[in-house]
Amino acid sequence: GIQVEQSPPDLILQEGANSTLRCNFSDSVNNLQWFHQNPWGQLINLFYIPSGTKQNGRLSATTVATERYSLLYISSSQTTDSGVYFCAVVVGTYKYIFGTGTRLKVLA
Amino acid sequence: GAVVSQHPSRVICKSGTSVKIECRSLDFQATTMFWYRQFPKQSLMLMATSNEGSKATYEQGVEKDKFLINHASLTLSTLTVTSAHPEDSSFYICSARPWDRANSPLHFGNGTRLTVT
Repeated sequence: GIQVEQSPPDLILQEGANSTLRCNFSDSVNNLQWFHQNPWGQLINLFYIPSGTKQNGRLSATTVATERYSLLYISSSQTTDSGVYFCAVVVGTYKYIFGTGTRLKVLA
Repeated sequence: GAVVSQHPSRVICKSGTSVKIECRSLDFQATTMFWYRQFPKQSLMLMATSNEGSKATYEQGVEKDKFLINHASLTLSTLTVTSAHPEDSSFYICSARPWDRANSPLHFGNGTRLTVT
């Protein structure tokens, strides 16, 4: 089956720093979604992005489907950005395969 | 819009008992819902696809008799963990999408943390 790998697995930042999270997938997909999972387990939808670039405030995402990767940029990080970031690829009929996750901690 | 409600958010049960988790789409109808499982510090793994009015489709390695899924209406799917054991302790999350909106992303419930003692 399709493999979805995220890097780095863990990341510690000082408040105000920028970061780039990467999601690599091993086969063609129908779509891709980025999530932030907060400490209570809630999945927050960040971007639904099959290709191209989208921006929402301090966050932006770029998916290059032909090269099978997506990037999530976080600028001017805040302590509330801490948590786990997952990408999930969509295969078949809305079957989501989640990546391995990046655990982010932003220090004040 | 597109809110998915999951209940309960947290449950503790004794080994050998059964637990039912509900997943409701509050403002849309869903012919298909999905159930995921997440162990501590791990990713989400798809357990099964719940189909309204028909049998659920289980992923490889997921026991059908252990995890009973019922999708009796277009707004409700339930997951019942039968004869629960401590190894079933996990975080369970459901998701759904509006059946009539092509290319809509999945919307996720807030999850249920199950602890089996």
